Amino acid sequence: DAGVIQSPRHEVTEMGQEVTLRCKPISGHNSLFWYRQTMMRGLELLIYFNNNVPIDDSGMPEDRFSAKMPNASFSTLKIQPSEPRDSAVYFCASSKSVIFRDDTEAFFGQGTRLTVV
Amino acid sequence: KQEVTQIPAALSVPEGENLVLNCSFTDSAIYNLQWFRQDPGKGLTSLLLIQSSQREQTSGRLNASLDKSSGRSTLYIAASQPGDSATYLCAVVLTGGGNKLTFGTGTQLKVEL
Repeated sequence: DAGVIQSPRHEVTEMGQEVTLRCKPISGHNSLFWYRQTMMRGLELLIYFNNNVPIDDSGMPEDRFSAKMPNASFSTLKIQPSEPRDSAVYFCASSKSVIFRDDTEAFFGQGTRLTVV
Repeated sequence: KQEVTQIPAALSVPEGENLVLNCSFTDSAIYNLQWFRQDPGKGLTSLLLIQSSQREQTSGRLNASLDKSSGRSTLYIAASQPGDSATYLCAVVLTGGGNKLTFGTGTQLKVEL
């Protein structure tokens, strides 16, 4: 398997523009996670899905952020409108189990580095 | 709220040295603990996963231990190499806390020739 695939790898956009980040989880994985990494706050969970259904979006910073998972092989994270403070690296991860167990392991994509100017 | 701390924040060692990275967490009710490696500008690579019932896991030159009662984990790297230079992150999943990983702040390791 190619692992978790994210696109684009880098995105530079102007403040106020809409940004869409994309993720393809590992085939057969039932949970998908969106994380954000910044120098100040480290890695933070934004939202996660089980079987394509959003379970916990308490980490989504504002209404400007939204995420969807229309099917088991694709998810998007959208920021509209974008602001300079949204600049960060956004990671997508997936894991096999819906119910977390001792042996459940998370696998991460390469991330999307977003710069909002 | 689960807090995960990693000490030291940065570490520089000469090649060949054995080293230990530390991870501590405040809530011992965890499913497991995972150690990741992150290279500059790259994603996270899973190194080792220790289940809550396990004491340690080994992979090559890496050995990770877990002491749930004291809220600690260590990552031992034997015979360090320049290629081990990276940031090492630990993450835990709380029981009853959904599927989310709570990450530590990371240790930036540099192994010098």
